[in-house]
Amino acid sequence: GENVEQHPSTLSVQEGDSAVIKCTYSDSASNYFPWYKQELGKRPQLIIDIRSNVGEKKDQRIAVTLNKTAKHFSLHITETQPEDSAVYFCAASIDSGYSTLTFGKGTMLLVSP
Amino acid sequence: DTAVSQTPKYLVTQMGNDKSIKCEQNLGHDTMYWYKQDSKKFLKIMFSYNNKELIINETVPNRFSPKSPDKAHLNLHINSLELGDSAVYFCASSPQGTDTQYFGPGTRLTVL
Repeated sequence: GENVEQHPSTLSVQEGDSAVIKCTYSDSASNYFPWYKQELGKRPQLIIDIRSNVGEKKDQRIAVTLNKTAKHFSLHITETQPEDSAVYFCAASIDSGYSTLTFGKGTMLLVSP
Repeated sequence: DTAVSQTPKYLVTQMGNDKSIKCEQNLGHDTMYWYKQDSKKFLKIMFSYNNKELIINETVPNRFSPKSPDKAHLNLHINSLELGDSAVYFCASSPQGTDTQYFGPGTRLTVL
């Protein structure tokens, strides 16, 4: 089955800095890679996703890149703000509606003012 | 409007008891899921249902039994609760043909 590794497990940055979280996956059939943000005591919320027919996707301060050859994908947050502090999860799946997401173990991002 | 809802939000119970958690989604999605999130925040899939039929059943003790009365509801019944069952349980749903999942608010289960 799919295995998703996520690094780092914790990341501390100063407000205004950029943050990068990296994930690798094992199943070359995976073609859907979402990122979820989970604030303390809240539900995981989808913030951005990418499918394997594109290499990069941006949404304001957030971007995701995908390298299918190397089987890794990354989340980039620019101009970080204290409200970006949360646990971020990457995930991978075959995106059939019948498989399921395999999640990484999460990255706790702390943005200091 | 709450798209994916769960009840109760908190559940505190004694070891050995039986309890249920309910989940409802009003998004018209075909697939629903149950996840367990332990104290280390790891999200582990437990079950997946598509149009009331079980499609994924990970290695979960048979004390856990999901039930889907219709495609908008997926309930989780747990028998003979154990200390190790303490966790946050999330329900999620996804639309037809995609694995994009939307999570409920979670149920924090504490077994004493």
